[in-house]
Amino acid sequence: DAKTTQPPSMDCAEGRAANLPCNHSTISGNEYVYWYRQIHSQGPQYIIHGLKNNETNEMASLIITEDRKSSTLILPHATLRDTAVYYCIVRGTDSWGKFQFGAGTQVVVTP
Amino acid sequence: ETGVTQSPTHLIKTRGQQVTLRCSSQSGHNTVSWYQQALGQGPQFIFQYYREEENGRGNFPPRFSGLQFPNYSSELNVNALELDDSALYLCASRRTGGTEAFFGQGTRLTVV
Repeated sequence: DAKTTQPPSMDCAEGRAANLPCNHSTISGNEYVYWYRQIHSQGPQYIIHGLKNNETNEMASLIITEDRKSSTLILPHATLRDTAVYYCIVRGTDSWGKFQFGAGTQVVVTP
Repeated sequence: ETGVTQSPTHLIKTRGQQVTLRCSSQSGHNTVSWYQQALGQGPQFIFQYYREEENGRGNFPPRFSGLQFPNYSSELNVNALELDDSALYLCASRRTGGTEAFFGQGTRLTVV
Protein backbone atom coordinates (compact mmCIF):
# COMPACT_ATOMS: atom_id res chain seq x y z
CA ASP A 1 0.00 0.00 0.00
CA ALA A 2 1.10 3.55 -0.71
CA LYS A 3 2.63 5.65 2.04
CA THR A 4 1.15 8.95 3.15
CA THR A 5 2.67 12.18 4.45
CA GLN A 6 0.85 14.47 6.86
CA PRO A 7 1.92 17.50 8.89
CA PRO A 8 2.61 16.48 12.49
CA SER A 9 0.32 19.06 14.02
CA MET A 10 -2.04 21.91 13.35
CA ASP A 11 -4.25 24.26 15.33
CA CYS A 12 -7.74 25.39 14.44
CA ALA A 13 -10.09 27.92 16.01
CA GLU A 14 -13.45 26.64 17.19
CA GLY A 15 -16.17 27.29 14.62
CA ARG A 16 -13.74 27.63 11.73
CA ALA A 17 -13.10 25.08 9.01
CA ALA A 18 -10.16 22.76 9.52
CA ASN A 19 -8.35 21.70 6.35
CA LEU A 20 -6.09 18.68 6.84
CA PRO A 21 -3.70 17.90 3.98
CA CYS A 22 -2.35 14.49 3.02
CA ASN A 23 0.20 13.61 0.37
CA HIS A 24 0.05 10.17 -1.24
CA SER A 25 2.10 10.64 -4.38
CA THR A 26 2.68 6.89 -4.93
CA ILE A 27 -0.99 5.93 -4.84
CA SER A 28 -2.07 3.40 -7.46
CA GLY A 29 -5.30 3.12 -9.36
CA ASN A 30 -7.12 0.68 -7.10
CA GLU A 31 -6.19 2.29 -3.80
CA TYR A 32 -8.68 4.20 -1.70
CA VAL A 33 -7.97 7.15 0.58
CA TYR A 34 -9.33 6.70 4.10
CA TRP A 35 -9.44 9.08 7.02
CA TYR A 36 -9.72 8.00 10.63
CA ARG A 37 -9.30 9.97 13.83
CA GLN A 38 -8.32 8.93 17.30
CA ILE A 39 -9.30 10.85 20.37
CA HIS A 40 -6.91 10.32 23.24
CA SER A 41 -6.81 6.71 24.45
CA GLN A 42 -9.83 5.66 22.38
CA GLY A 43 -10.04 3.44 19.31
CA PRO A 44 -9.76 5.03 15.86
CA GLN A 45 -13.03 6.37 14.48
CA TYR A 46 -13.89 6.14 10.80
CA ILE A 47 -14.50 9.51 9.17
CA ILE A 48 -14.70 9.14 5.39
CA HIS A 49 -13.10 7.47 2.39
CA GLY A 50 -12.96 7.93 -1.37
CA LEU A 51 -11.39 6.67 -4.58
CA LYS A 52 -11.31 9.57 -7.02
CA ASN A 53 -14.42 11.66 -6.52
CA ASN A 54 -14.92 14.14 -3.74
CA GLU A 55 -17.00 12.77 -0.89
CA THR A 56 -19.09 14.35 1.85
CA ASN A 57 -20.86 12.93 4.86
CA GLU A 58 -22.21 14.25 8.13
CA MET A 59 -18.74 14.49 9.64
CA ALA A 60 -16.50 15.86 6.91
CA SER A 61 -15.68 16.37 3.26
CA LEU A 62 -12.87 14.70 1.35
CA ILE A 63 -11.33 16.48 -1.59
CA ILE A 64 -9.04 14.36 -3.80
CA THR A 65 -6.93 16.05 -6.45
CA GLU A 66 -7.44 15.03 -10.05
CA ASP A 67 -4.08 13.21 -10.20
CA ARG A 68 -4.96 11.56 -6.84
CA LYS A 69 -1.54 12.35 -5.43
CA SER A 70 -2.96 14.35 -2.53
CA SER A 71 -6.16 14.95 -0.64
CA THR A 72 -7.65 17.27 1.95
CA LEU A 73 -10.01 16.42 4.77
CA ILE A 74 -12.29 19.31 5.65
CA LEU A 75 -14.05 19.61 9.00
CA PRO A 76 -16.50 22.40 8.16
CA HIS A 77 -17.09 23.80 11.64
CA ALA A 78 -14.52 22.55 14.10
CA THR A 79 -15.55 22.00 17.71
CA LEU A 80 -13.47 21.28 20.78
CA ARG A 81 -14.54 17.64 20.46
CA ASP A 82 -12.71 17.44 17.13
CA THR A 83 -9.37 17.63 18.94
CA ALA A 84 -7.72 14.34 17.98
CA VAL A 85 -5.02 12.68 15.90
CA TYR A 86 -6.16 12.40 12.29
CA TYR A 87 -4.82 9.59 10.14
CA CYS A 88 -4.79 9.56 6.35
CA ILE A 89 -4.44 6.00 5.02
CA VAL A 90 -4.21 4.58 1.53
CA ARG A 91 -5.44 1.05 1.11
CA GLY A 92 -5.92 -1.26 -1.82
CA THR A 93 -8.77 -3.65 -2.41
CA ASP A 94 -6.42 -6.62 -2.04
CA SER A 95 -5.61 -5.74 1.57
CA TRP A 96 -8.95 -4.90 3.01
CA GLY A 97 -8.07 -5.64 6.60
CA LYS A 98 -4.71 -3.96 6.77
CA PHE A 99 -4.63 -0.26 7.49
CA GLN A 100 -1.10 1.11 7.44
CA PHE A 101 -1.22 3.96 9.93
CA GLY A 102 1.42 6.67 9.95
CA ALA A 103 1.99 9.17 12.72
CA GLY A 104 -1.03 11.26 11.72
CA THR A 105 -1.75 14.94 12.36
CA GLN A 106 -2.46 16.12 15.89
CA VAL A 107 -5.27 18.65 15.55
CA VAL A 108 -5.97 20.96 18.46
CA VAL A 109 -9.15 23.01 18.33
CA THR A 110 -8.96 26.08 20.53
CA PRO A 111 -11.80 28.23 21.89
CA GLU B 1 -20.69 3.49 19.19
CA THR B 2 -19.05 1.06 16.77
CA GLY B 3 -20.55 -2.20 18.02
CA VAL B 4 -17.06 -3.59 18.65
CA THR B 5 -16.36 -4.43 22.28
CA GLN B 6 -13.00 -5.34 23.75
CA SER B 7 -12.18 -6.83 27.13
CA PRO B 8 -10.59 -6.23 29.47
CA THR B 9 -10.01 -2.49 29.18
CA HIS B 10 -6.80 -2.61 31.21
CA LEU B 11 -4.46 -5.44 32.13
CA ILE B 12 -1.15 -5.77 33.92
CA LYS B 13 1.03 -8.82 33.30
CA THR B 14 4.51 -9.93 34.26
CA ARG B 15 7.26 -10.52 31.73
CA GLY B 16 7.21 -14.12 30.48
CA GLN B 17 3.50 -14.63 31.14
CA GLN B 18 0.82 -15.28 28.55
CA VAL B 19 -2.22 -13.06 27.88
CA THR B 20 -5.52 -13.40 26.03
CA LEU B 21 -7.40 -10.35 24.82
CA ARG B 22 -10.97 -10.55 23.56
CA CYS B 23 -13.02 -8.78 20.96
CA SER B 24 -16.71 -9.02 20.16
CA SER B 25 -17.90 -7.77 16.79
CA GLN B 26 -21.27 -7.01 15.25
CA SER B 27 -23.28 -9.79 13.67
CA GLY B 28 -22.26 -10.24 10.05
CA HIS B 29 -18.75 -8.85 10.54
CA ASN B 30 -16.74 -11.78 9.20
CA THR B 31 -13.38 -10.02 9.08
CA VAL B 32 -11.47 -9.00 12.19
CA SER B 33 -8.06 -7.38 12.40
CA TRP B 34 -5.81 -6.75 15.38
CA TYR B 35 -3.46 -3.82 15.87
CA GLN B 36 -0.80 -2.87 18.39
CA GLN B 37 -0.38 0.79 19.27
CA ALA B 38 2.66 1.82 21.28
CA LEU B 39 2.55 5.12 23.12
CA GLY B 40 2.83 8.07 20.76
CA GLN B 41 2.68 5.98 17.59
CA GLY B 42 0.04 4.95 15.11
CA PRO B 43 -1.50 1.48 15.27
CA GLN B 44 0.52 -1.33 13.68
CA PHE B 45 -1.23 -4.22 11.92
CA ILE B 46 -0.72 -7.59 13.64
CA PHE B 47 -2.96 -9.93 11.64
CA GLN B 48 -6.39 -10.44 10.14
CA TYR B 49 -8.90 -13.27 10.35
CA TYR B 50 -11.64 -14.07 7.90
CA ARG B 51 -14.12 -16.86 8.57
CA GLU B 52 -11.94 -18.24 11.34
CA GLU B 53 -8.72 -18.41 9.34
CA GLU B 54 -5.74 -16.07 9.37
CA ASN B 55 -5.41 -14.42 5.97
CA GLY B 56 -2.88 -11.66 6.51
CA ARG B 57 -0.10 -10.91 8.96
CA GLY B 58 2.11 -7.99 9.77
CA ASN B 59 5.67 -8.02 11.06
CA PHE B 60 4.96 -9.74 14.36
CA PRO B 61 6.54 -12.95 15.71
CA PRO B 62 4.64 -16.25 16.02
CA ARG B 63 4.14 -15.73 19.76
CA PHE B 64 1.33 -13.41 18.66
CA SER B 65 -1.56 -15.66 17.63
CA GLY B 66 -5.29 -15.39 17.26
CA LEU B 67 -8.59 -17.15 17.03
CA GLN B 68 -11.88 -16.18 15.48
CA PHE B 69 -15.15 -17.87 16.43
CA PRO B 70 -18.44 -18.36 14.55
CA ASN B 71 -20.25 -16.03 16.97
CA TYR B 72 -18.24 -13.00 15.70
CA SER B 73 -15.92 -12.97 18.69
CA SER B 74 -12.16 -13.27 18.48
CA GLU B 75 -9.05 -13.50 20.64
CA LEU B 76 -5.49 -12.24 20.50
CA ASN B 77 -3.02 -14.39 22.40
CA VAL B 78 0.49 -13.29 23.24
CA ASN B 79 2.97 -15.76 24.75
CA ALA B 80 6.22 -15.07 26.58
CA LEU B 81 5.37 -11.43 27.19
CA GLU B 82 8.14 -8.88 26.84
CA LEU B 83 8.30 -5.37 28.26
CA ASP B 84 7.98 -3.95 24.71
CA ASP B 85 4.60 -5.65 24.35
CA SER B 86 3.18 -2.93 26.57
CA ALA B 87 0.73 -1.12 24.30
CA LEU B 88 -2.89 -0.45 23.42
CA TYR B 89 -4.28 -3.43 21.50
CA LEU B 90 -7.10 -2.68 19.09
CA CYS B 91 -9.40 -4.93 17.17
CA ALA B 92 -11.32 -3.81 14.10
CA SER B 93 -14.13 -5.61 12.32
CA ARG B 94 -15.68 -5.32 8.90
CA ARG B 95 -18.74 -6.89 7.40
CA THR B 96 -18.44 -8.91 4.23
CA GLY B 97 -18.46 -6.51 1.29
CA GLY B 98 -18.12 -3.48 3.52
CA THR B 99 -15.44 -0.87 3.05
CA GLU B 100 -15.17 0.60 6.55
CA ALA B 101 -13.49 -1.05 9.49
CA PHE B 102 -14.90 -0.33 12.93
CA PHE B 103 -12.53 -0.25 15.86
CA GLY B 104 -13.08 -1.17 19.47
CA GLN B 105 -11.88 0.99 22.34
CA GLY B 106 -8.84 -1.16 22.91
CA THR B 107 -7.17 -3.04 25.74
CA ARG B 108 -4.30 -1.30 27.50
CA LEU B 109 -1.70 -3.97 28.31
CA THR B 110 1.15 -3.18 30.67
CA VAL B 111 3.98 -5.68 31.03
CA VAL B 112 6.13 -5.28 34.14
